Amino acid sequence: DQQVKQNSPSLSVQEGRISILNCDYTNSMFDYFLWYKKYPAEGPTFLISISSIKDKNEDGRFTVFLNKSAKHLSLHIVPSQPGDSAVYFCAGSGTYKYIFGTGTRLKVLA
Amino acid sequence: DAGVIQSPRHEVTEMGQEVTLRCKPISGHDYLFWYRQTMMRGLELLIYFNNNVPIDDSGMPEDRFSAKMPNASFSTLKIQPSEPRDSAVYFCASSLSAGTGDKPQHFGDGTRLSIL
Repeated sequence: DQQVKQNSPSLSVQEGRISILNCDYTNSMFDYFLWYKKYPAEGPTFLISISSIKDKNEDGRFTVFLNKSAKHLSLHIVPSQPGDSAVYFCAGSGTYKYIFGTGTRLKVLA
Repeated sequence: DAGVIQSPRHEVTEMGQEVTLRCKPISGHDYLFWYRQTMMRGLELLIYFNNNVPIDDSGMPEDRFSAKMPNASFSTLKIQPSEPRDSAVYFCASSLSAGTGDKPQHFGDGTRLSIL
């Protein structure tokens, strides 16, 4: 029972263009959603979050959109940079736990 | 500031041996989490502690797995006896509060465990 799904295992984008990473969830009780970025041989690092009562949160080049009716969130990176190449995990937070998706590997091509 | 520190970074051992993974959380954080990452299941929560007390161990796969937190600055995850299917990357994370969106969990760099 996967409560958080990232259906695209990988994504390639040209440098300077927009990267859009998607995430779907089934649990309506999540109160926050978070995105983490992970480089090889390192732990995940927190990127951005959004409360379940909001529909958008922005931090520099990163914007997260939440569509509660569709149980869908997305992370937009504009403009994409080669240093953004990493695995991105979305997570739902509720009852003191994070439930992570399986990740999307983003490759930004120079 | 020092982040979450895990040791060892890599562990290779033979099936049946005892394995102990160690974690030092960020000072002042009152929640500590152990995760396992595999290709098939992604990042799974194994157990978490609040103020050194285990709160939820429903993710611990079997009785072969145990975790302790004897004080606020140290936790261990032990596997005894180890099996090849335990091979994975194990992460420790800590947070203030329960890791809600405005106080996210901070992860260590993980221990890559290989059981031969």
